[in-house]
Amino acid sequence: GESVGLHLPTLSVQEGDNSIINCAYSNSASDYFIWYKQESGKGPQFIIDIRSNMDKRQGQRVTVLLNKTVKHLSLQIAATQPGDSAVYFCAENMGGSEKLVFGKGTKLTVNP
Amino acid sequence: DAGITQSPRHKVTETGTPVTLRCHQTENHRYMYWYRQDPGHGLRLIHYSYGVKDTDKGEVSDGYSVSRSKTEDFLLTLESATSSQTSVYFCAIRAPGTTREQFFGPGTRLTVL
Repeated sequence: GESVGLHLPTLSVQEGDNSIINCAYSNSASDYFIWYKQESGKGPQFIIDIRSNMDKRQGQRVTVLLNKTVKHLSLQIAATQPGDSAVYFCAENMGGSEKLVFGKGTKLTVNP
Repeated sequence: DAGITQSPRHKVTETGTPVTLRCHQTENHRYMYWYRQDPGHGLRLIHYSYGVKDTDKGEVSDGYSVSRSKTEDFLLTLESATSSQTSVYFCAIRAPGTTREQFFGPGTRLTVL
């Protein structure tokens, strides 16, 4: 598949553990944030989003936390599975703009 | 891939040749986007469209042009390909309204020799 990053931050976890992937965003005016998952050879896949009027949002096995004070976003994956192995990207958007600005990604490896 | 197809999926071309990549959607969404993905840079927006014949530049638009003559098709053209345009190109779509999530196609790997 395509190489999405030669020097990506990496996270290696054991199957069944919880994973936390972090992201620092750049624009204090951003008010919408998304996490994407990208498997090798595929396009990014939407996981979960959060607006700036929230601090936390939960999905199925995933939770996104937003700390606007320090411009930090995290994605927590509960009971990580081998199928969760992928590169994870955060993206930010400012209201009124069509531009999603992506972070450089974190490679998650889940060991069975 | 949310009703999005990209063609071709792989292309090898030579410096100086024109190249057109096609994105086709079956969702009838108004907004369409072209990104490139490179090691160390993540995804960067090239151009986007907010309707038929309505397009605007993204952050890395130099050397690229786009056209949208139908709702379902968004074309990306490299008028004269350069080696720096070797990349993986992704198309994305977004539904109108308050949602801002973008859904991505499978990508086109372009190699310029």
